[in-house]
Amino acid sequence: SSELTQDPAVSVALGQTVRITCQGDSLRSYYATWYQQKPGQAPILVIYGRDIRPSGIPDRFSGSGSGNTASLTITGAQAEDEADYYCNSRDSSGNPWVLGGGTKLTVL
Amino acid sequence: EVQLVQSRAEVKKPGESLKISCKASGYIFTSYWIAWVRQMPGKGLEWMGIIYPGDSDTRYSPSFQGQVTISADKSISTAYLQWSSLKASDTAMYYCARHIQYDSGWYGDYWGRGTLVTVPS
Repeated sequence: SSELTQDPAVSVALGQTVRITCQGDSLRSYYATWYQQKPGQAPILVIYGRDIRPSGIPDRFSGSGSGNTASLTITGAQAEDEADYYCNSRDSSGNPWVLGGGTKLTVL
Repeated sequence: EVQLVQSRAEVKKPGESLKISCKASGYIFTSYWIAWVRQMPGKGLEWMGIIYPGDSDTRYSPSFQGQVTISADKSISTAYLQWSSLKASDTAMYYCARHIQYDSGWYGDYWGRGTLVTVPS
């Protein structure tokens, strides 16, 4: 079972802004890490820390958090952003297996 | 260039043992954690465990403790995930990923392409 709660599915019109959320107690103390996974591919890291994008991730991706909720925002969603998005955090022992169940993003 | 090259797909029978590998290159293997992540067919990601090859510090998710063994061979920059007795429910894609720990958590910045393990029932 997932200790972080994500909406199973979200849709957005092409070029519009979408926020994918992740809720859980660990997020009151620790940042979420966000991964994108397209069908048949390995996950890739899109956001970690307060709002850090690895090299190669477009700046339309951003992260934020408040209370027990972390958010991944895509400003001006593109067709290639259609994917599953997973949030991940650490537990109180410092281990990385606090997980969300994933959100399937559809770009219309 | 950082690369994690995983071993090929496997088809095994229930009860058989298996060891899959993840060979790292392009960085200092002993300075970064390696995590193993399971993805069952049509399901989400599950972090199984993590190892620091520098000192072999190994941690397991409670869901996988006792079910698998994670190890690493520094001499050949390779991490391993092994089962002593496979079950049909072990059928999944298994990813290895380089992980970095910081004060507020972890992130996996490089991932292998995955090893598909199939255990027909």
